[in-house]
Amino acid sequence: EVQLVESGGGLVKPGGSLRLSCAASGFTFSSYRLNWVRQAPGRGLEWVSSISSSSGHIYYADSVRGRLTISRDNAKNSLYLQMNSLRAEDTAVYYCARSGDSIWSLYFDLWGRGTLVTVSS
Amino acid sequence: DIQMTQSPSTLSASVGDRVTITCRASQSISSWLAWYQQKPGKAPKLLIYKASSLESGVPSRFSGSGSGTEFTLTISSLQPDDFATYYCQQSNSYPLTFGGGTKVDIK
Repeated sequence: EVQLVESGGGLVKPGGSLRLSCAASGFTFSSYRLNWVRQAPGRGLEWVSSISSSSGHIYYADSVRGRLTISRDNAKNSLYLQMNSLRAEDTAVYYCARSGDSIWSLYFDLWGRGTLVTVSS
Repeated sequence: DIQMTQSPSTLSASVGDRVTITCRASQSISSWLAWYQQKPGKAPKLLIYKASSLESGVPSRFSGSGSGTEFTLTISSLQPDDFATYYCQQSNSYPLTFGGGTKVDIK
């Protein structure tokens, strides 16, 4: 089955750290760009970060640059998001999402179910 | 950054109605626009990409049109399964940005 499965969410204190993972199956992971998209409770969708198939191109939203780090391991079919210096405004469901590796394919055709990150004291 | 503005934010409609949602970009994005459907507690689902291309498996009652800065998503005959929130997203350039969403609920 073609799927993405996130894990690693939870409750963390402001200033703390968390590492999210996304396990892919059913497709050639190394051929696709992978992304993180988040959704705060009751709010809309916000793109967070993207990483190209070979990790050669990485992009971040201004709101997370310098605090969140995206990476991938093509041998393990896995995507990661290292989250440091977390703030209350980072509280959201974090989705792993697939897109084509071309710059002409920057839309998300496969999504995971999401993992909830709550930043609170 | 390219700002995406959707209207209306909420839309009340009945089964069988023709529904149109508008998305405007703050600058031209050619045809680099996608539409998603999201139901409560679920991940978004891709409906349309490149403004008018229907994603595989999506019912043909969904259609997209537009180019430049103005785009529309049309549902030709609203079905019970279509009550959801819809988002547009520009795929022209980073940072990738979404519209604020349009909730379609039952009249």
